[in-house]
Amino acid sequence: AQKITQTQPGMFVQEKEAVTLDCTYDTSDQSYGLFWYKQPSSGEMIFLIYQGSYDEQNATEGRYSLNFQKARKSANLVISASQLGDSAMYFCAMRGLAQGAQKLVFGQGTRLTINP
Amino acid sequence: DTGVSQDPRHKITKRGQNVTFRCDPISEHNRLYWYRQTLGQGPEFLTYFQNEAQLEKSRLLSDRFSAERPKGSFSTLEIQRTEQGDSAMYLCASSLNIQRDIQYFGAGTRLSVL
Repeated sequence: AQKITQTQPGMFVQEKEAVTLDCTYDTSDQSYGLFWYKQPSSGEMIFLIYQGSYDEQNATEGRYSLNFQKARKSANLVISASQLGDSAMYFCAMRGLAQGAQKLVFGQGTRLTINP
Repeated sequence: DTGVSQDPRHKITKRGQNVTFRCDPISEHNRLYWYRQTLGQGPEFLTYFQNEAQLEKSRLLSDRFSAERPKGSFSTLEIQRTEQGDSAMYLCASSLNIQRDIQYFGAGTRLSVL
């Protein structure tokens, strides 16, 4: 079974500051993928960034980077130079990469609020 | 390039009624997924299609729930004899079976059962 834990129910950050959202995971799979999604109040889940368990380098996508520490089973999302539009729910998710394993398992999310 | 489209966006129904939701995936995507999200929680997997074949169903998908994907294009999710516990956001996602196989989500259908 796979499990995602996000321990920060809410985060408040000043605009232009960097923010780290925590995510730890548990799995017995050897090969897996880790994902971060953003969910604004409109409800749509927006894909942000992906990290494969065998990727040697941490993933980066614009202002988003993933701090992947495999031994600690953590996959924290770092947002640099936060903007007001970054205010949303953020979900960490994982999926096994074995044949036939397709479902995403999500954490409970972190609500990020960016203050002007 | 249009994203995943879901209809309706909101549905209010009385307990015991049947409801049907529609999902149109990104046009070239062969995989389609349904998730349910209740207030304050992350989405939970319901079911998954590859083309027209339903390959996996969660235990959450009781016999009152049925999903179809005729011809491997759009999908419908039907809930029969709705209960108040069915009130949730129903999210659809699609993906293309290559490389990272990223799932892209629609805006969801919010169901309220009175």
